[in-house]
Amino acid sequence: AQSVTQPDIHITVSEGASLELRCNYSYGATPYLFWYVQSPGQGLQLLLKYFSGDTLVQGIKGFEAEFKRSQSSFNLRKPSVHWSDAAEYFCAVYSYDKVIFGPGTSLSVIP
Amino acid sequence: NAGVTQTPKFRVLKTGQSMTLLCAQDMNHEYMYWYRQDPGMGLRLIHYSVGEGTTAKGEVPDGYNVSRLKKQNFLLGLESAAPSQTSVYFCASSFLLWDTQYFGPGTRLTVL
Repeated sequence: AQSVTQPDIHITVSEGASLELRCNYSYGATPYLFWYVQSPGQGLQLLLKYFSGDTLVQGIKGFEAEFKRSQSSFNLRKPSVHWSDAAEYFCAVYSYDKVIFGPGTSLSVIP
Repeated sequence: NAGVTQTPKFRVLKTGQSMTLLCAQDMNHEYMYWYRQDPGMGLRLIHYSVGEGTTAKGEVPDGYNVSRLKKQNFLLGLESAAPSQTSVYFCASSFLLWDTQYFGPGTRLTVL
């Protein structure tokens, strides 16, 4: 069965530091992959997605993600974190008949 | 342009009571979804719709019913609420099936 794992439940970084959030998936074919962000008390918003082509994908708010087929990973990165990036981040994988969301990684930012 | 709106924002029910959650979107999207979000479990799909008058079961459909009588609205019903249905419920819509989803702000439901 398809699955999505986000190994880090919670991450704390200092403002201005770099960030990498991990996402691993289990899926037989080339997946469609998404990263969503959920600010406190809000719904989810799409940061970026990968369907095909260049494996390095640029998104909104300065985020990027790299698809690595050999590692079944789609990690999210940002070179310099801002306090407003504090939120919950969800990786998601599209399978044949649904999108599966990972459990989420909560990001805290220290001023 | 309000995007996706959900009514109500909060609700407390007693076990056995019924209620309906309303989702409305003004983007003319064909596809709509209902999810529940529980701590440490991400979002799980309850039901979805591929167009007006159509609905389909998702991952956790038991105890819920849905209707899509108008393209812009997607209703989620709980006929006999149970404490296990305490959760935050999110509605979403998309232009293409399973592509970028636009989410509402959520409804926090507590069943006592």
